[in-house]
Amino acid sequence: AQKVTQAQTEISVVEKEDVTLDCVYETRDTTYYLFWYKQPPSGELVFLIRRNSFDEQNEISGRYSWNFQKSTSSFNFTITASQVVDSAVYFCALSEGRETSGSRLTFGEGTQLTVNP
Amino acid sequence: GAVVSQHPSRVICKSGTSVKIECRSLDFQATTMFWYRQFPKKSLMLMATSNEGSKATYEQGVEKDKFLINHASLTLSTLTVTSAHPEDSSFYICSARVLIAKNIQYFGAGTRLSVL
Repeated sequence: AQKVTQAQTEISVVEKEDVTLDCVYETRDTTYYLFWYKQPPSGELVFLIRRNSFDEQNEISGRYSWNFQKSTSSFNFTITASQVVDSAVYFCALSEGRETSGSRLTFGEGTQLTVNP
Repeated sequence: GAVVSQHPSRVICKSGTSVKIECRSLDFQATTMFWYRQFPKKSLMLMATSNEGSKATYEQGVEKDKFLINHASLTLSTLTVTSAHPEDSSFYICSARVLIAKNIQYFGAGTRLSVL
């Protein structure tokens, strides 16, 4: 069975602060994929990143960065110099199996990030 | 990224009526689409996996006769909530899996269903 835990239910920061969203996962598979999605108030889930289990390189995209550590089963997400537009619910998700399988996403409970001006 | 269109974005209906929600992949073919339900301030709950040309696979506890799914083409899947009741009021979101983009799911904007 697979499980994703986002222990932080809500985070509130002031604009320009850095913020890290935690994600811890459980899986028995050796091949799996990790994702982060953003859900703004409008409701649509926006894909942010996909990482496979064999690639532990950290990734940076603008103000966003991700830290994948298999040793601690964590895939944390950091927003640098946060902005009000970053306010949203962020979901970490896991899918097991090979790319060609009908693998499903298991979502964490989400973290509500509020960036105050 | 790939674009998934979901329609309608909001629907209000009377108890006992049926409501159809459409999910379209606009610029790619999607052999597999997924339907989720989300309660306020909660995570997404997978309802069913929709495969083009075959019957949908429902998650445990989801009534297949209540939530009819049809995936008649590579770009369209529909979810029909039959004989809707107030407890069916929720936010429904679809997604489409893009094989050539390494198994990423792209999501529609969601449909907020309110049953009176």
